[in-house]
Amino acid sequence: NAGVTQTPKFQVLKTGQSMTLQCAQDMNHEYMSWYRQDPGMGLRLIHYSVGAGITDQGEVPNGYNVSRSTTEDFPLRLLSAAPSQTSVYFCASRLRDRRGEQFFGPGTRLTVL
Amino acid sequence: DAKTTQPPSMDCAEGRAANLPCNHSTISGNEYVYWYRQIHSQGPQYIIHGLKNNETNEMASLIITEDRKSSTLILPHATLRDTAVYYCIVREDRDDKIIFGKGTRLHILP
Repeated sequence: NAGVTQTPKFQVLKTGQSMTLQCAQDMNHEYMSWYRQDPGMGLRLIHYSVGAGITDQGEVPNGYNVSRSTTEDFPLRLLSAAPSQTSVYFCASRLRDRRGEQFFGPGTRLTVL
Repeated sequence: DAKTTQPPSMDCAEGRAANLPCNHSTISGNEYVYWYRQIHSQGPQYIIHGLKNNETNEMASLIITEDRKSSTLILPHATLRDTAVYYCIVREDRDDKIIFGKGTRLHILP
């Protein structure tokens, strides 16, 4: 199993540009989520999904959209990037019945100029 | 609202046991205690979790006080590779969300 994969590893955007951060998992996990981590800070939950077709907001959802059309994929979209969205983004997944045991991807380092 | 309180940083000598405390004085009866760690620049890694009883796995031991208001994560023989930020998380089993606090930065000293 590849586990949780994220692409790209690094990205530089200009203010106002849009992009999609990709996240995929091959463990057939029902739950997937996106976090951001600013320098020297803990992780903050952006959006999460409890299954295909179902998404919900986390702590800091503004400026981000998600969708979950398949069990495997959970992309995060930035519609109009802002410098405040400069961060490291982590995707995570877990099984429905292993509620606290999340598996994290390696992260995407995003810089918005 | 923060459900847990952890010291911002701790030091431990290599080869000694690292004991990381966590205060969760408002924990409810159906909330679990989870521990994760994040090694520099990597995604967090699940370590262990428990409800009432002490738990042990290949990575660590979790000691939960009888009143459940605090817990301690024990790394029995710390190595330099254990240098990381350790997060203590309290959540109900039915919670869909997992919320991270600021954690404890553990420095293992050679």
